[in-house]
Amino acid sequence: EAQVTQNPRYLITVTGKKLTVTCSQNMNHEYMSWYRQDPGLGLRQIYYSMNVEVTDKGDVPEGYKVSRKEKRNFPLILESPSPNQTSLYFCASSFGPGGEQFFGPGTRLTVL
Amino acid sequence: DAKTTQPPSMDCAEGRAANLPCNHSTISGNEYVYWYRQIHSQGPQYIIHGLKNNETNEMASLIITEDRKSSTLILPHATLRDTAVYYCIDWDAGNMLTFGGGTRLMVKP
Repeated sequence: EAQVTQNPRYLITVTGKKLTVTCSQNMNHEYMSWYRQDPGLGLRQIYYSMNVEVTDKGDVPEGYKVSRKEKRNFPLILESPSPNQTSLYFCASSFGPGGEQFFGPGTRLTVL
Repeated sequence: DAKTTQPPSMDCAEGRAANLPCNHSTISGNEYVYWYRQIHSQGPQYIIHGLKNNETNEMASLIITEDRKSSTLILPHATLRDTAVYYCIDWDAGNMLTFGGGTRLMVKP
C-alpha cells in the first residue's frame, strides 16, 4: 500500500531533550516536506527537500533540522525542543513540487 | 500568508451537492488551483487541481472562472464522511505550499 509513515505518532518530552521524528514513504517520491499545524495558524511548511541531499527552508524553519540521505526517508530533528514547538506535525511526499501530495498521519508533539 | 480567501464555515444537507467557493485575487498565470481536505486531525488529503479548465475526478468537480480569480469545488452528493476542512491553494513549483484557514464543511443528516 502506497503510504507515508511517521513515528512516533504521539510524543511528550521535556525542554532541551533532543528528539527525531521519522518520516518514510514507499512511493519513490523525490519531493518531501514537513509541516506543523497549530490552532488558528493553519498548516505551515517547515522544511522541504527536492531530492536526496537537497533541502531548503520553508516558512518556519527555526529550531528544526532535517536531512535527506535516502530518497525514502526525511527525518525531522529538534536539537533542543522548546514548549513553542508543541504542535501537530505532518510529513508529505510527491513525485515533484506539483501534483498530488501524500500526507502522513501526523505526529502530536508536546514539549513540557 | 495564504493568498486565497474562503468562507470559514458552511453547512450542507446529506445527499445534496456541496459547493465550496474560493477567491484567488492574486493568482498568477503559472499557478495552479489545488484543493485539499482535512478530516479531523488526519493528514490533509488531495482532492483535485486545475489550471484553467474545469476538472472532474471520482471525488469532486472543480470549476474555475475564466479570469481565474475564483473557483468552486463541487462535491456532487455530500455524505457525512465529507465533513472536513477544505483548503484551496494557489501553487506553482517555485513556491511553498501555503494552507490558509480553509472552509469547515459540516454535512448534516
